[in-house]
This record gives sequence, C-alpha cells and structure tokens, in this order.
Amino acid sequence: EDKVVQSPLSLVVHEGDTVTLNCSYEVTNFRSLLWYKQEKKAPTFLFMLTSSGIEKKSGRLSSILDKKELFSILNITATQTGDSAVYLCAVDMEYGNKLVFGAGTILRVKS
Amino acid sequence: EPEVTQTPSHQVTQMGQEVILRCVPISNHLYFYWYRQILGQKVEFLVSFYNNEISEKSEIFDDQFSVERPDGSNFTLKIRSTKLEDSAMYFCASSSTENQPQHFGDGTRLSIL
Repeated sequence: EDKVVQSPLSLVVHEGDTVTLNCSYEVTNFRSLLWYKQEKKAPTFLFMLTSSGIEKKSGRLSSILDKKELFSILNITATQTGDSAVYLCAVDMEYGNKLVFGAGTILRVKS
Repeated sequence: EPEVTQTPSHQVTQMGQEVILRCVPISNHLYFYWYRQILGQKVEFLVSFYNNEISEKSEIFDDQFSVERPDGSNFTLKIRSTKLEDSAMYFCASSSTENQPQHFGDGTRLSIL
C-alpha cells in the first residue's frame, strides 16, 4: 500500500526559530513529491521536487528530496506567526494522476 | 493569480438526498481532480479526469459518485444518495499537464444530517 508519513505531527516554536519538517514515503510509482501549506481552506502549493539533491528555495522556505532514502525535508528559517499552518506532503503517482497525502504537520509559531 | 473556485462553500443535506458540488478549474488547465478530507483525517484522492473521461478513481469513488464537465468551464462532483459518512470537506484541483503541480480550491464543506 502506498504510504506517506510526516513528522512531527505538531510543533510549537517561537518567532525567529528555524524548523525542519520531515516526509518519508513508500510508493510504487513515484513521479514527484509536493509540499503544500494549508491554513483555513485550500492547500496552497509550495514546492514540487522530482530530482534528488536539488534544493528548491522560496524566500525563507526551502526543500530537498532524497530518492535513495525516500524522504524529503521542508525547512523554514526565521519563522513568523504567519507561517502557522498545516504543512502537507504529497507524492504524485506516475500512473493515474493522483496525489497520496501524509497526515500533515501542524506548525504553530508563537510571538 | 488564477485560482480554482468552488461552490457552495458549505452544503447541508439530508441523508439520501443528491448533492452536486461545483468547481471552476483554472482556465488553461486540462487535468481535474476531486479529493476529500474527513475532519481530522488525511486528504484522500477520489477521482482524476482528463479529456472528458475518468483517468483514475479510488475505492471511495463507488457507483454513488459521478463527475462531469458539462461545459467548457465547470467540473462537477455528484453524490447520488448521500450517507452520513460522506460528510467531509471536498476539494477540487486542477493542473495544466499531468506533470505539473495540482492547484486546489477552497473546498466545499458537506454536512449530511
């Protein structure tokens, strides 16, 4: 069965801290791994990763994929209260065009 | 920035009734999807749709569910005879190609009484 596991399940940090969110996967037909941020409603796309070792960066957020060890990390530096959200990791399957989601990491940034 | 729009934002229906959830995908996107998220659980794939037909569906997507692209802009999910366990947030998503990221709408919260 295809599986995506995120850790930790939840995290509370102070503004300015750096956080690392983890995502491991076991799937049969991997195409890419995606990170989304979910606040009140829609998951908002952050990154799509297809190749190992290539860091994707957007402002204070960055992510990298290891296809040999089957995991990805999402880093957020200098956290702000606006980073408080659920961060979702999903694997895009080669056949069938479907995303398999992890349970998410709830991040709370305290001021 | 273009976005996926879903209506209604909240739908309350009696068990056994039919519901239609509506989505307007991003205009130049060709691949469409429905997902659902039961409260406190993971986002789950329901169905993908391309070129006017279903590409893939999950075990959840049984005979009670159907999808349609009735015109050039809308994409709908119909549940024929709702059950209590259909209560969930339903998300529509679209992508330009099968290799591009899926972009999600704000969801329809479906409550079955």
